[in-house]
Amino acid sequence: ETGVTQTPRHLVMGMTNKKSLKCEQHLGHNAMYWYKQSAKKPLELMFVYSLEERVENNSVPSRFSPECPNSSHLFLHLHTLQPEDSALYLCASSQDTGSGGYTFGSGTRLTVV
Amino acid sequence: GEDVEQSLFLSVREGDSSVINCTYTDSSSTYLYWYKQEPGAGLQLLTYIFSNMDMKQDQRLTVLLNKKDKHLSLRIADTQTGDSAIYFCAESIGSNDYKLSFGAGTTVTVRA
Repeated sequence: ETGVTQTPRHLVMGMTNKKSLKCEQHLGHNAMYWYKQSAKKPLELMFVYSLEERVENNSVPSRFSPECPNSSHLFLHLHTLQPEDSALYLCASSQDTGSGGYTFGSGTRLTVV
Repeated sequence: GEDVEQSLFLSVREGDSSVINCTYTDSSSTYLYWYKQEPGAGLQLLTYIFSNMDMKQDQRLTVLLNKKDKHLSLRIADTQTGDSAIYFCAESIGSNDYKLSFGAGTTVTVRA
């Protein structure tokens, strides 16, 4: 248990489906992140939330929609995805200042068919 | 811009030392990090170094930082089979200490 829990661990969805990824942390962190991990590519920062406000959206297509209802929970709503969106989606949390680094969840392995 | 580069693969014999190298671009980075990812898991923070340091040692891990060349390395002494994983280098970006830019990861394979 890393302190950051992601569900589901695996997800297969069709291109017309709507699904949501969930992330939860009880570390008292005030910043949360979504990253996309594709094979042999740098982790791609998708969204950053600090104190429940979105502070960064890195040109992510609108078919990905984040939601942060409180400082402990982060969602990524998925709609009309493409096969190239298949990847490992990682959630992380941190304190928004200082050297603490990130605590990552184990990720959701997403396959779009 | 933010660009962290590292070699993709490293093979090392059990008991030898491993050295993983990384270059970064943001000269204003305050912290530089090494993360480890084992199969089926998220990234785990291994160690970090503050930008005004040039070396940090933590048990079998030694981090060297050359700020002039923007070069970071991680040395693992007495490499074990459990060290087989993907290792990611990351830099904090500008004044946002909490925002990190990651490399693509180096896959370390430890052979008997």
